[in-house]
Amino acid sequence: DTGVSQDPRHKITKRGQNVTFRCDPISEHNRLYWYRQTLGQGPEFLTYFQNEAQLEKSRLLSDRFSAERPKGSFSTLEIQRTEQGDSAMYLCASSLGASTNEKLFFGSGTQLSVL
Amino acid sequence: AQRVTQPEKLLSVFKGAPVELKCNYSYSGSPELFWYVQYSRQRLQLLLRHISRESIKGFTADLNKGETSFHLKKPFAQEEDSAMYYCALRRGSTLGRLYFGRGTQLTVWP
Repeated sequence: DTGVSQDPRHKITKRGQNVTFRCDPISEHNRLYWYRQTLGQGPEFLTYFQNEAQLEKSRLLSDRFSAERPKGSFSTLEIQRTEQGDSAMYLCASSLGASTNEKLFFGSGTQLSVL
Repeated sequence: AQRVTQPEKLLSVFKGAPVELKCNYSYSGSPELFWYVQYSRQRLQLLLRHISRESIKGFTADLNKGETSFHLKKPFAQEEDSAMYYCALRRGSTLGRLYFGRGTQLTVWP
């Protein structure tokens, strides 16, 4: 499968623990996005990278959230001191950006449950 | 601020009937509008974008700036169209983030 890959698919953690998710984009894609989706809602933007540069962060991304894309390939999203409100599906998407015809390719997501 | 509204959470039609999924937006600039679809047990994927003025799987959507709408239409629904549909907006001045509506679950009955 040459699509966007996310790991793990599911994560259950206790409140206060740290979690890290990984996203591997389609290999030639220079843009990588993180979105969060809760039940009954559409995806909400968290942050995105162009190559290794983090170009935009949502206000949703509190100090407990950090994302990296160290070599412009895979990305990690870390949540520190998880809270029950962090329970959601975390989606990664990638694209070959730089045009208004940009098309996002989404991964299957990581479902986080904070107990 | 920008906002995307999909007023119908659920929509059901019979096979062969016309279907229209509503999307309204608020944005003071020139937006780019998209429809994304998620079939059961599949990933979210792009269905169509207004800038391309395309028809995909029989679906079309016209950007109406006067009514700030981007409704998705298909004249004859098929069972395989059953899915969750999300309308999304991107601010024309910036590439990058999309603003999604909450989605409409379409069910097409046989």
